Amino acid sequence: TQLLEQSPQFLSIQEGENLTVYCNSSSVFSSLQWYRQEPGEGPVLLVTVVTGGEVKKLKRLTFQFGDARKDSSLHITAAQPGDTGLYLCADTGNQFYFGTGTSLTVIP
Amino acid sequence: NAGVTQTPKFRILKIGQSMTLQCAQDMNHNYMYWYRQDPGMGLKLIYYSVGAGITDKGEVPNGYNVSRSTTEDFPLRLELAAPSQTSVYFCASSYSTGSPSPLHFGNGTRLTVT
Repeated sequence: TQLLEQSPQFLSIQEGENLTVYCNSSSVFSSLQWYRQEPGEGPVLLVTVVTGGEVKKLKRLTFQFGDARKDSSLHITAAQPGDTGLYLCADTGNQFYFGTGTSLTVIP
Repeated sequence: NAGVTQTPKFRILKIGQSMTLQCAQDMNHNYMYWYRQDPGMGLKLIYYSVGAGITDKGEVPNGYNVSRSTTEDFPLRLELAAPSQTSVYFCASSYSTGSPSPLHFGNGTRLTVT
């Protein structure tokens, strides 16, 4: 079974601060997706990265895929309360495994 | 378009009881998944299906069973409920695996076993 570790597990920051969360795999990703989940709802896709070294930007969110395709990071610039949620990475193979999650709270 | 529909939304079971969590999708997706999520944690894959008539175990299949008789429906069966099965259960579907096919999730079933 593939192990996807995310860090930190919990993060509480003030509005306007920057932050980075990480996703590390015990094996090479097929491709990697990042999801955000709000309380009481299912996760929603943010981005898919496929190629080692790939960088994608989604407004204030920057996603980076490691060169060896075994790790990824999500950087948020000038965090806002609306960014609060659980951030999950996932490997998109047949079994679609998810990581352990990072719970982010942005305090106004 | 309803997407992925899960029923019920909430359920309380006594130890040893059985129940079926229903999941239906109307997007003609081949791939369907069942996950459980404990508070503040990520999703653990219980079972998945790559098409009608085909199912396979995920990370935590013990205590659960599934069937996939149609493309649309993927019910999850708990035969002898245990307190360790208290969790939120999510069903998801996708057109295929890999990029760029995302998972579409239902809104979850919150199950308590006492």
